[in-house]
Amino acid sequence: QKEVEQNSGPLSVPEGAIASLNCTYSDRGSQSFFWYRQYSGKSPELIMFIYSNGDKEDGRFTAQLNKASQYVSLLIRDSQPSDSATYLCAVSNQGGKLIFGQGTELSVKP
Amino acid sequence: DADVTQTPRNRITKTGKRIMLECSQTKGHDRMYWYRQDPGLGLRLIYYSFDVKDINKGEISDGYSVSRQAQAKFSLSLESAIPNQTALYFCATSADGRGSGYTFGSGTRLTVV
Repeated sequence: QKEVEQNSGPLSVPEGAIASLNCTYSDRGSQSFFWYRQYSGKSPELIMFIYSNGDKEDGRFTAQLNKASQYVSLLIRDSQPSDSATYLCAVSNQGGKLIFGQGTELSVKP
Repeated sequence: DADVTQTPRNRITKTGKRIMLECSQTKGHDRMYWYRQDPGLGLRLIYYSFDVKDINKGEISDGYSVSRQAQAKFSLSLESAIPNQTALYFCATSADGRGSGYTFGSGTRLTVV
């Protein structure tokens, strides 16, 4: 079992819809959870982080964490074509390193 | 200027050659990391360093070595490059152990022919 798993996609949604990206992790001791966006050929950029169970909202983005289910998700409301990218889930273990999932490719169709 | 600078941006090298990828940062972060990215595999950790005297292997360190010359500099070497080391390489820095706010460099695209 991979430490951090994501559906590789591609996930295709129409413009204006909600995109839902999911991630599961195996280490129950994981402390911090991150979502990065990566455009093709570019470096990852941090868009959300969450430490506690529940929801965290920032503009059109909402991160959801359920530690009991070892599950973290990212919702993107009112999706725009500019949101088309690969989204990387990352989990910080007790050693402080980030372990990344393989990424989910999102395509927002006009 | 970028907070985390990687050089070179692109490199084509021949099998068996030694190559060094360099990373420098102006963030003042103690922690530095080298990752490689391959299509469909996400980012995989090669080596990491939590301070100048600390070097640790990641999940895929075979065939690579690193040097932490100063707080701001962390270099990755391929002693004898092979074609399956063709990948996009990223250097990253962070301030603390929670993994908060990794800052990535722009990446080095390495092709081994």
